Amino acid sequence: EDQVTQSPEALRLQEGESSSLNCSYTVSGLRGLFWYRQDPGKGPEFLFTLYSAGEEKEKERLKATLTKKESFLHITAPKPEDSATYLCAVQVQGAQKLVFGQGTRLTINP
Amino acid sequence: EPEVTQTPSHQVTQMGQEVILRCVPISNHLYFYWYRQILGQKVEFLVSFYNNEISEKSEIFDDQFSVERPDGSNFTLKIRSTKLEDSAMYFCASRGGEGVKKYFGPGTRLTVT
Repeated sequence: EDQVTQSPEALRLQEGESSSLNCSYTVSGLRGLFWYRQDPGKGPEFLFTLYSAGEEKEKERLKATLTKKESFLHITAPKPEDSATYLCAVQVQGAQKLVFGQGTRLTINP
Repeated sequence: EPEVTQTPSHQVTQMGQEVILRCVPISNHLYFYWYRQILGQKVEFLVSFYNNEISEKSEIFDDQFSVERPDGSNFTLKIRSTKLEDSAMYFCASRGGEGVKKYFGPGTRLTVT
């Protein structure tokens, strides 16, 4: 069965304190790995898609990396507005659906 | 930035009643989806729709659920006879083509009493 596990469940950082979120996955064949941001009461907002091991994508203070077993979302010098739940999802080859992890709730204190 | 819109934002219904959740996908998109998120749980896939037919569905999407694209702009999810366990946030999503990112709507919170 295709599975996605994110850690930690929650992370509290001080403004400017860099860290990484982890997404481990077990799938029959990876088509793509997706990172989304979700604010309370809102829908997931697309951040990145990664397709193959070794690939990296960056956007402002965020950088996503991918290996054959996991992905990391690195947050550099975060600001309070980066506080959100970050969701990881995988798309399996031959399928349309995304399989989501449970998310990491990130809080950045000023 | 184009947006997926959903109405209503919150729907309260009694157990056994039918509900229709509405979505307006991004105008030139071809692939449409419904997901749901029960409070405190993962986002779960329900169904995907392409070329006026269901292309994939999950075990959750049983005979009580149906989807329709009644015109060129709307995409609906109908639950025929709601149950307490259908209470969740329902997200519509759309995608323009292969390898293109999926946009999610803001969600409809369904509360079944």
